[in-house]
Amino acid sequence: AQKITQTQPGMFVQEKEAVTLDCTYDTSDQSYGLFWYKQPSSGEMIFLIYQGSYDEQNATEGRYSLNFQKARKSANLVISASQLGDSAMYFCAMREAGANSKLTFGKGITLSVRP
Amino acid sequence: DAGVIQSPRHEVTEMGQEVTLRCKPISGHDYLFWYRQTMMRGLELLIYFNNNVPIDDSGMPEDRFSAKMPNASFSTLKIQPSEPRDSAVYFCASSSQGFALAKNIQYFGAGTRLSVL
Repeated sequence: AQKITQTQPGMFVQEKEAVTLDCTYDTSDQSYGLFWYKQPSSGEMIFLIYQGSYDEQNATEGRYSLNFQKARKSANLVISASQLGDSAMYFCAMREAGANSKLTFGKGITLSVRP
Repeated sequence: DAGVIQSPRHEVTEMGQEVTLRCKPISGHDYLFWYRQTMMRGLELLIYFNNNVPIDDSGMPEDRFSAKMPNASFSTLKIQPSEPRDSAVYFCASSSQGFALAKNIQYFGAGTRLSVL
């Protein structure tokens, strides 16, 4: 069974600094994908970044990067040069390959960016 | 390009009333998903469609919930009769990549916040 763990309490970061949001996962499959979504206070779910289990390099998308450590089963999101607009809830999610596999979400981490 | 469009954004209704939530997926996407988000249970998949056909409705909580996708650009989630415990944010999402692949990115709508009094 899939499991996503996000255990950090609310996180705070100073504007323009970098922050790491932790995510660990549990799967016995070899082929799977890891996703991060952002949910601002307005409520929408915004896709940020994807990492495949076979990808040799860490994924990057602008100020977002994913620190993927396969042996440790961790997929931490790094946000560089934080902006006030980064204040939101962040969800880590995983999906195993396969026609019947579902996208499973963690409980989320709240990030607050201080000016 | 327009993203996934959901309506209404907010719905307040009384217990026992019928509620219909609407979703327009991204054009060209052939998978559509309905999720429910609550504080207690987080994000849960309710049902998903492939090419307008329901594939897995195992997440639908009970018979009061039903979902349809009459065509590639429209889906509804109906609750009849509604109960206070149905209060939640309901999301619609769509994707285009092959669902068998792990990289099946789902793009979400803005959600419908439902309050059942």
